[in-house]
Amino acid sequence: EVHLVESGGGLVQPGGSLRLSCAASGFTFSDHYMDWVRQAPGKGLEWVGRTRSKANSYTTEYVASVKGRFTISRDDSKNSMYLQMNSLKTEDTAVYYCARVHSGNYYVDYWGQGTLVTVSS
Amino acid sequence: DIQMTQSPSSLSASVGDRVTITCRASQGISNYLAWFQQKPGKAPKSLIYAASSLQSGVPSKFSGSGSGTDFTLTISSLQPEDFATYYCQQYNTYPITFGQGTRLEIK
Repeated sequence: EVHLVESGGGLVQPGGSLRLSCAASGFTFSDHYMDWVRQAPGKGLEWVGRTRSKANSYTTEYVASVKGRFTISRDDSKNSMYLQMNSLKTEDTAVYYCARVHSGNYYVDYWGQGTLVTVSS
Repeated sequence: DIQMTQSPSSLSASVGDRVTITCRASQGISNYLAWFQQKPGKAPKSLIYAASSLQSGVPSKFSGSGSGTDFTLTISSLQPEDFATYYCQQYNTYPITFGQGTRLEIK
């Protein structure tokens, strides 16, 4: 069974940094692209970024609003993905979900339960 | 960026009804369209990919159609557990983008 568990959320001041983790189990992690998606309180879903697999050189994509501030990485030996968030802004306050990308059709097929990040002074 | 527009934004229906939600892309995305269901306080759940293919384990009461710029999600014989918010998502072009969501409420 596919299982994704996010951790690392919490309260941080504007301008601060936070690192989120996503621990995966139940599938061959190294074969899959992985996404981060966020949801501000009471708002809709926003795609944050993607890491491709080793076969695609671990390349990444980001939404413009986080480019240069957020970095997605992964450690296939630990079945984990990370989201390093720097220069945080109040508008980054959201629940952050990690999601698995289907290896053949490149759509999101499984989601974690999310971790809340609050950026506030 | 490709803008995804869902209609309606909210919808009231009764148990047993059949409902259709529409999603329009600002430019063609072939069939790279997914639908997700989200209940309050929960993570989204994948329903449909490639516009019309059902995710494993999702009941056949959910169906999707469309290609290019216009897509629909149809839910037949609504049950209490179907009342939720539904999102479309295009994954044809980066950045990947979602519709604003359609809240399906019990009448």
